Amino acid sequence: DAGVIQSPRHEVTEMGQEVTLRCKPISGHNSLFWYRQTMMRGLELLIYFNNNVPIDDSGMPEDRFSAKMPNASFSTLKIQPSEPRDSAVYFCASRPEGRTYEQYFGPGTRLTVT
Amino acid sequence: DQQVKQNSPSLSVQEGRISILNCDYTNSMFDYFLWYKKYPAEGPTFLISISSIKDKNEDGRFTVFLNKSAKHLSLHIVPSQPGDSAVYFCAASAPTGANNLFFGTGTRLTVIP
Repeated sequence: DAGVIQSPRHEVTEMGQEVTLRCKPISGHNSLFWYRQTMMRGLELLIYFNNNVPIDDSGMPEDRFSAKMPNASFSTLKIQPSEPRDSAVYFCASRPEGRTYEQYFGPGTRLTVT
Repeated sequence: DQQVKQNSPSLSVQEGRISILNCDYTNSMFDYFLWYKKYPAEGPTFLISISSIKDKNEDGRFTVFLNKSAKHLSLHIVPSQPGDSAVYFCAASAPTGANNLFFGTGTRLTVIP
């Protein structure tokens, strides 16, 4: 079975540019999470979807960040405009339905904003 | 306002010895705890978990201990192997809400052959 798929794996962009990160969750999983990993704060939850509906976006740092999940097999995280402090590794994770805690992570996208 | 803390950013251990990774939390509502392991250029993968109704859970070389009164948990790896070298994240979840996980900042374990 394919795991969580993220693209691109690496993204280098200039400040002010729009960045779009993509995620395909594991088939059959109904919850999807976007995280940002930094040295200072570890893994921070940005936004969480359940059945394609955004449930909690309190972790989204600013209005420059937006996320969508148009269907059960695809989600995007967009940063517009990007800034150097957005440089981090962004992870997508999915979770099956039911009272379960374990999340399955993708390989991440390393974003560098110069 | 980090609710889950891993105060040791790195740890080095000789192969064959015990590795002990520590984690502290502040939210007394947390009732489930997990450890994730992360290799470079990969996403975190689930390693072991423990419910707050237990104080110990063992899986092969890995044992997690929970001290609720101290709001502290630890992961023991015995014996440590070079393949255990990775970043270990502690995570916690509360019964309210959607079982979302709160992660620590991670501890980089290096097992020296």
